[in-house]
Amino acid sequence: QVQLQESGPGLVKPSETLSLTCTVSGGSISSSFWSWIRQSPGKGLDWIAYMYNSGSTKYNPSLKSRVTISADTSKNQLSLKLTSLTVADTAVYYCVRDGGLGGEIVFDYWGQGTQVTVSS
Amino acid sequence: QSALTQPASVSGSPGQSITISCTGTSSDVGGYNYVSWYQQHPGKAPKLMIYDVSNRPSGVSDRFSGSKSGNTASLTISGLQAEDEADYHCCSYTSSSMIVFGSGTKVTVL
Repeated sequence: QVQLQESGPGLVKPSETLSLTCTVSGGSISSSFWSWIRQSPGKGLDWIAYMYNSGSTKYNPSLKSRVTISADTSKNQLSLKLTSLTVADTAVYYCVRDGGLGGEIVFDYWGQGTQVTVSS
Repeated sequence: QSALTQPASVSGSPGQSITISCTGTSSDVGGYNYVSWYQQHPGKAPKLMIYDVSNRPSGVSDRFSGSKSGNTASLTISGLQAEDEADYHCCSYTSSSMIVFGSGTKVTVL
């Protein structure tokens, strides 16, 4: 059973950089595909970034200039960095596994989510 | 990329069937059989209910079914139960190799 646990600062100031970590247990991060997805208060889901098991990545065009997804295989962790934060980045951030064959979008395992609030 | 269009809310009585639509374009929903649906209860993480338009993961009730016609995908819940009251989100692969979600639908059991 794959389990995902996000961790992060909770509260960050505008213009700062957000760094989130997702610790994966029950499976190797190298053998699956991964995404970060966020949900602003009272809104729908918003896809942020995707990492293939090869290490290649793709990003939501609206966030591409500010976001980086990466993996530390030695720690079995996924990371997200989002720069130049604004209040519009306030959301619950989810770490998610894509259990498909790559491109199918089968988000079968989700972390519990971590609340990020951008405020001065 | 614009969010896929879903009705803001759908309601039904226990035992009834309801259908939630998810409308996109030929560049996403209409172009690929990579549409998935997620159920989300308040304060909880989303749960995969349907993938590849109409496939159910192991453990998901057969009261949930998915289909697609043209640029619109649909999720049908049969035999509506109180526990089905939740938000539902659709998701699609796009022609630019991106991922787009729907605007979300709140299902109310009357």
